[in-house]
Amino acid sequence: SAVISQKPSRDICQRGTSLTIQCQVDSQVTMMFWYRQQPGQSLTLIATANQGSEATYESGFVIDKFPISRPNLTFSTLTVSNMSPEDSSIYLCSAGTVPRELFFGEGSRLTVL
Amino acid sequence: DAKTTQPPSMDCAEGRAANLPCNHSTISGNEYVYWYRQIHSQGPQYIIHGLKNNETNEMASLIITEDRKSSTLILPHATLRDTAVYYCIVWLAQTGANNLFFGTGTRLTVIP
Repeated sequence: SAVISQKPSRDICQRGTSLTIQCQVDSQVTMMFWYRQQPGQSLTLIATANQGSEATYESGFVIDKFPISRPNLTFSTLTVSNMSPEDSSIYLCSAGTVPRELFFGEGSRLTVL
Repeated sequence: DAKTTQPPSMDCAEGRAANLPCNHSTISGNEYVYWYRQIHSQGPQYIIHGLKNNETNEMASLIITEDRKSSTLILPHATLRDTAVYYCIVWLAQTGANNLFFGTGTRLTVIP
């Protein structure tokens, strides 16, 4: 199984600032995803982090707001840009090697004031 | 978009089997059925997955109907620690296929 570490685990940020969340996997994986989970809701897929190329974003999410990097097979970052209170959520990284299971990090809980 | 339908909530008595249904009537031939659960404030935890055959591991059993349009996750002896939201997901599970979408899940409450 893969172990996924996310940093920070939680943060409180001011409106208009940006925060970068890091995701580190302890083994090489073929797929990495970023999700958002708003309070009391299910997980919503933000994008697929592609190694060495631009991420693939889902409807409603854009690169200017959520830039993603994936420089190698074990690491990815998600930036939440120009934050507003509506961005307060848990952001989750998942990773794995198909067709086996995906593993999830414990999430980064973001509060925007 | 999620391709599965699950009941929003279920209760189960501690020590009894919990049977969680999932409908995935539009599943295609090469899509897998995955089950995850999320205990409050934690990241989702993988439980089991299958393609056509029934599967069993140390956590649960997965029963997939012959037409693959529905499945049931079975927790054989539910404990209080099994209280969680359970997600049934249909996924192509191929590199380049990014359609791993979560539905609303079933909130299972195990009652003492």
